Amino acid sequence: KAGVTQTPRYLIKTRGQQVTLSCSPISGHRSVSWYQQTPGQGLQFLFEYFSETQRNKGNFPGRFSGRQFSNSRSEMNVSTLELGDSALYLCASSPGTAYNEKLFFGSGTQLSVL
Amino acid sequence: KQEVTQIPAALSVPEGENLVLNCSFTDSAIYNLQWFRQDPGKGLTSLLLIQSSQREQTSGRLNASLDKSSGRSTLYIAASQPGDSATYLCAVITGGFQKLVFGTGTRLLVSP
Repeated sequence: KAGVTQTPRYLIKTRGQQVTLSCSPISGHRSVSWYQQTPGQGLQFLFEYFSETQRNKGNFPGRFSGRQFSNSRSEMNVSTLELGDSALYLCASSPGTAYNEKLFFGSGTQLSVL
Repeated sequence: KQEVTQIPAALSVPEGENLVLNCSFTDSAIYNLQWFRQDPGKGLTSLLLIQSSQREQTSGRLNASLDKSSGRSTLYIAASQPGDSATYLCAVITGGFQKLVFGTGTRLLVSP
């Protein structure tokens, strides 16, 4: 069974631009969540989607948004990039029907904002 | 607001040692606690998941315990190997599917 796939692996953008990251979950998983990892703040929850609906949201500004498609693939968009958005963005998937599920993470997208 | 901390922040041991990593959380109303490992520049690999009603979980050389009332969990690694070198993270869910609150991590180095 294929794991969680994130593309692209690396991305370099400049301030003010926008960026879209993609995540393909494990087949059959309907829940996809996104996390931001930085050296200063550690891992922080961005949002979670289940069956195309945002089910949970973290404390990030509105510049961070996402969506999920009918095949459970998810995209995350960051508009008007700031230097502080430089981070490793990780997505995770699970069946999404119970709290006691292991999460499976992708390898992440390393975003650098110059 | 749930806060999760891990001690120590870094640990260096020779191969073969048994070791304990600690995780503490401020709000005991959790659904579960998970331990992950992260290799440099990579994603997270789930090691163990302990449900709120459980006291411990075991997988191979790993054993994790949970004491909800005191807000603590420990990860015990037996007979450590160089391949165990990684950052270990604990995380809890207090509300919302997949809404994990992560600890600060313990960076482990096992030398041959």
